[in-house]
Amino acid sequence: DIVMTQSPDSLAVSLGERATINCKSSQSVLYNSNNKNYLAWYQQKPGQPPKLLIYWASTRESGVPDRFGGSGSETDFTLTISSLQAEDVAVYYCQQYYSTSLTFGQGTRLEI
Amino acid sequence: QVQLVQSGAEVKKTGASVKVSCKASGYTFTGYYMHWVRQAPGQGLEWMGWINLNSGDTNYAQKFQGRVTMTRDTSISTAYIDLSRLTSDDTAVYYCARPYCGSSSCHNWFDPWGQGTLVTVSS
Repeated sequence: DIVMTQSPDSLAVSLGERATINCKSSQSVLYNSNNKNYLAWYQQKPGQPPKLLIYWASTRESGVPDRFGGSGSETDFTLTISSLQAEDVAVYYCQQYYSTSLTFGQGTRLEI
Repeated sequence: QVQLVQSGAEVKKTGASVKVSCKASGYTFTGYYMHWVRQAPGQGLEWMGWINLNSGDTNYAQKFQGRVTMTRDTSISTAYIDLSRLTSDDTAVYYCARPYCGSSSCHNWFDPWGQGTLVTVSS
């Protein structure tokens, strides 16, 4: 299985400041035939299911605020929240869908 | 709107089986797959497998093979997961989740998710 490792495990950021969460895969999730990275990001708030934020590593899902951005390629990826809002407090997960055996990162807890 | 509604919480004894349902609405049920993901208390997300809602074909994560069965009833747009020989390690919230399917292919990012079903296993 492809192992997804997020860093840090937890993060405290002031309101209005930038938050950066990293995700590293144990092998490349870049599919050469279409030049797409098979990586998604989710946000999960307490008592709720995960919510899709980003797919193809950098494509924002419809309705997701533009302060959320994804970047990276092959094995190293980043989720950036450009200006942290109170409602962004949550756990964030990356997920690879390159392999038929899907795997998630362990999660990063974001606090104010 | 597209919605997945799951069955209610379950409490089971060690060694028993549990069956969780996921009723879909707002889209063509048989045009998609359904995946199941679980989350132990305070832990991360663990993918369990998928079912092709049209053909009934399944693909299970190796960890659960022999113990999990995914089925569907197309007449009521409902998918099911059945997990047998339960242990305390199976205590978790179980989610159904729909992948993206375009005109020619599907990709396994998930939206929407069901609300989750808590399964508690105790002796």
